[in-house]
Amino acid sequence: SYDLTQSPSVSVSPGQTARISCSGDAFPKQYAFWYQQRPGQAPVLVIYKDSERPSGVPDRFSGSSSGATVTLTISGVQAEDEADYYCQSADSTAAYPVFGGGTKLTVL
Amino acid sequence: QVQLVQSGAEVKKPGASVKVSCKASGYTFANYDINWLRQAPGQGLEWMGWMNPNNSITAYAKKFRGRVTMTRDASISTAYMELTGLKSEDAAVYFCARENDGSGYYFDSWGQGTLVTVSS
Repeated sequence: SYDLTQSPSVSVSPGQTARISCSGDAFPKQYAFWYQQRPGQAPVLVIYKDSERPSGVPDRFSGSSSGATVTLTISGVQAEDEADYYCQSADSTAAYPVFGGGTKLTVL
Repeated sequence: QVQLVQSGAEVKKPGASVKVSCKASGYTFANYDINWLRQAPGQGLEWMGWMNPNNSITAYAKKFRGRVTMTRDASISTAYMELTGLKSEDAAVYFCARENDGSGYYFDSWGQGTLVTVSS
C-alpha cells in the first residue's frame, strides 16, 4: 500500500486539461512533488514545492494544493504527456519520502 | 549537467546478493545525499534508503534493514547499493536519485535504472 492516494488512471483527448489528484495526511504540512515517468524510463521531476516548475518543464504543467489534497494540472495535453505520474511528499519529520501509487495518463 | 549513470542489468539466483553502482557527475558528489528506490514490474516507486556521501551516514527503510547496505567511493564519485538474500519479490528496477538540498525532501536527478532479475 502507499502513503498517498492517487486515482489509478485519467484519460483525456489532446488539447484538453488533465487533472491528477493526490491526497494524504502529509498535506498540507509537507510539500508535494510530482514526477513524470514514461515507459521504460526513469522518473522526471515536473513540479516541486507544491507548485514550482523546474527549468525545462513546459508551462502547461502546474501544481496546486488545497488542504489534504494536491493536484497536478496539465493544460493543453499533448500526446507526449502520456505517462505515469507519481506524487511524493515526506513523513511528518521529513525523515523519509512517501509516494502515491501513480496515475496513468492516457491521451486518447 | 547533473548525471547519474548506473551499472547494467543483473540476473541473480534466489539467496544471492546484488550490488548496483551509481556514478555521479556534473556536481560536487559530497554535497548531496543519494537515495535508492526500486520499482517492481507494473508497480509504483518504493524508497529503500539514503546515504550521505560526505560522511557515509545512512538511513534505511524498515523493510530493508538487515539486507541492504549503501556505501560510496568518493574518489570516483560513485555510490553503491547492495541487497543480500535476494527473493523473487526483489525483482525490480533499482534507481539511484539525488536528493535536493533545498526545502522539502525530493529528487531532482535520477539514474537510468538497473534491472535486477531474480530467478533460479
